[in-house]
Amino acid sequence: QQQVKQSPQSLIVQKGGISIINCAYENTAFDYFPWYQQFPGKGPALLIAIRPDVSEKKEGRFTISFNKSAKQFSLHIMDSQPGDSATYFCAASSENAGNMLTFGGGTRLMVKP
Amino acid sequence: GAVVSQHPSRVICKSGTSVKIECRSLDFQATTMFWYRQFPKQSLMLMATSNEGSKATYEQGVEKDKFLINHASLTLSTLTVTSAHPEDSSFYICSAQETYGYTFGSGTRLTVV
Repeated sequence: QQQVKQSPQSLIVQKGGISIINCAYENTAFDYFPWYQQFPGKGPALLIAIRPDVSEKKEGRFTISFNKSAKQFSLHIMDSQPGDSATYFCAASSENAGNMLTFGGGTRLMVKP
Repeated sequence: GAVVSQHPSRVICKSGTSVKIECRSLDFQATTMFWYRQFPKQSLMLMATSNEGSKATYEQGVEKDKFLINHASLTLSTLTVTSAHPEDSSFYICSAQETYGYTFGSGTRLTVV
């Protein structure tokens, strides 16, 4: 059972545009929702994370929007740059389940110059 | 921020031999570490959860006798791939939970020839 569904699988955006990646989850016990950025041959690096008590969190060009009732959350990358080209993973975890991260399938983002 | 050091970054071994991958938390104590496997263009698949001083908990379908995990101290967890075969070739990543979330190692590319 895929508990976190991520879309799209791939995304091409022009430099300066907005990249939007969406995730939906099923387990209402999830209480931590991070986004990770992964470059080829490297481990994932935390970009930004949110907890369900807020609907939006912004850090620089990265914003998470969270809709608890719809069980959805999304990552917005403003003013996308070629250096943002990477694979992005959403994830979710629950303190009640030992805090194990459940990952989405990933989105390969390409930002064209 | 928290750093997890993973070594080696790349290893090529002959079929039938064993390979050990180390994961160290450099500036924090990691009671729990997670081991993931990632195939090309796919998401991270949790293999096992290791807790300091106790036996690792393996995910369904992961052979505990093939993938030996040892978490002997609060800063070191090791994954040993025993009697490696070409199908074990993959990208292995460790992760540790710290105060503000999860920190990942840089990954190990294992190639079994």
